[in-house]
Amino acid sequence: NAGVMQNPRHLVRRRGQEARLRCSPMKGHSHVYWYRQLPEEGLKFMVYLQKENIIDESGMPKERFSAEFPKEGPSILRIQQVVRGDSAAYFCASSPPGGSKNIQYFGAGTRLSVL
Amino acid sequence: SQQGEEDPQALSIQEGENATMNCSYKTSINNLQWYRQNSGRGLVHLILIRSNEREKHSGRLRVTLDTSKKSSSLLITASRAADTASYFCATDVPPGANSKLTFGKGITLSVRP
Repeated sequence: NAGVMQNPRHLVRRRGQEARLRCSPMKGHSHVYWYRQLPEEGLKFMVYLQKENIIDESGMPKERFSAEFPKEGPSILRIQQVVRGDSAAYFCASSPPGGSKNIQYFGAGTRLSVL
Repeated sequence: SQQGEEDPQALSIQEGENATMNCSYKTSINNLQWYRQNSGRGLVHLILIRSNEREKHSGRLRVTLDTSKKSSSLLITASRAADTASYFCATDVPPGANSKLTFGKGITLSVRP
């Protein structure tokens, strides 16, 4: 049972370009979360999605950032017109549906560098 | 602001010693979890304690929770060099299931061989 798969592991973009980060959850998991981690910081929640639905986007910047989790295929975090401040590690996590526990399983992350 | 705040920020111990890390939080929680992150890697879940529990054990890990003080501690006994990593506490708020986690800034643990 493969874990959460994120790609690419490293992404370099110039200012103004678009960044697309992909996340395939663990098999059987229908809940996906995106977090951002700045150097020497903890993870900050961005968005929580279920298939075809955004459940909580309270941590998403209002502009340039969007996320989707289509019926088929991976979840995508999209950053338009990247700026240097977007440089960070972006982690995806997934969890199974239901239950009272909230253990999330994390991918290895995508490290975005904006030049 | 961070929900979870860990202390100390950094801890350096000798292999074989015990490591104690603390976490404080601000609002009522459903669960509190501890995760480990090795350098350049993703987070690995270590242990979860529910708000109605006071202590949990898992192997060399012992976690306590004091909801009156809004604090938790993680004890790693008989530490090993492989325990060197960053440790984060994470909380979720009721109803808990399938909701966002709020992380502290983390504690960097170095275990000297």
